[in-house]
Amino acid sequence: SYELTQPPSVSVSPGQIASITCSGDKLGDKYACWYQQRPGQSPILVIYQDNKRPSGIPERFSGSNSGNTATLTISGTQTVDEADYYCQAWDSSTAWVFGGGTKLTVL
Amino acid sequence: EVQLVESGGGLVQPGGSLRLSCAASGFRFSIYDMHWLRQPTGKRLEWVSVVDTDGDTSYADSVKGRFTISRENAWNSLYLQMNSLRAEDTAVYYCARGPRRSDPGVGSFDIWGQGTMVTVSS
Repeated sequence: SYELTQPPSVSVSPGQIASITCSGDKLGDKYACWYQQRPGQSPILVIYQDNKRPSGIPERFSGSNSGNTATLTISGTQTVDEADYYCQAWDSSTAWVFGGGTKLTVL
Repeated sequence: EVQLVESGGGLVQPGGSLRLSCAASGFRFSIYDMHWLRQPTGKRLEWVSVVDTDGDTSYADSVKGRFTISRENAWNSLYLQMNSLRAEDTAVYYCARGPRRSDPGVGSFDIWGQGTMVTVSS
């Protein structure tokens, strides 16, 4: 089965750059998506097809995907960005699969 | 406003059944593949099932043979019939507009409902 691995937590100071990684076998050969989930709320799509932003998502959110790692980057991180972030991809063995999530703390 | 609203969750005993519903509004429901996903408390998201625009379906191995997804385009509604429920099915269940079943690696889950809680316990 296919697995995606994320660090459990990432901390960043306001205004700094936050990077959240997602690792999977040959993940760069697939499309990666990223979702933001605030406590008690539904997930929100923030990046699709590796590096595209849906309408309404701030420009400070960006993504990349190469080799075995996809990365979500938040530039000029704000306190409102504090949330859990999940990566997601599709594999023929597991269908749509999500990473374990990364808790982003802005302090 | 594009919106998905789930209902039907609740407390059910192991071995019991439950039917979830999802009402869609603000977009042309009939032309999108629709999904159910779930999230146990404090755990990762898990894809459960998809129904495409032709009514063809796919399921995660963990629910295959127990859950049935369906849709009624005339009512802009999505359903999940859950039978033989187990404790490990306890989770918040989300309906979502998502990737095409015929081209699964390209799309993403771009619209989510607020979720409905399903608890399987005696």
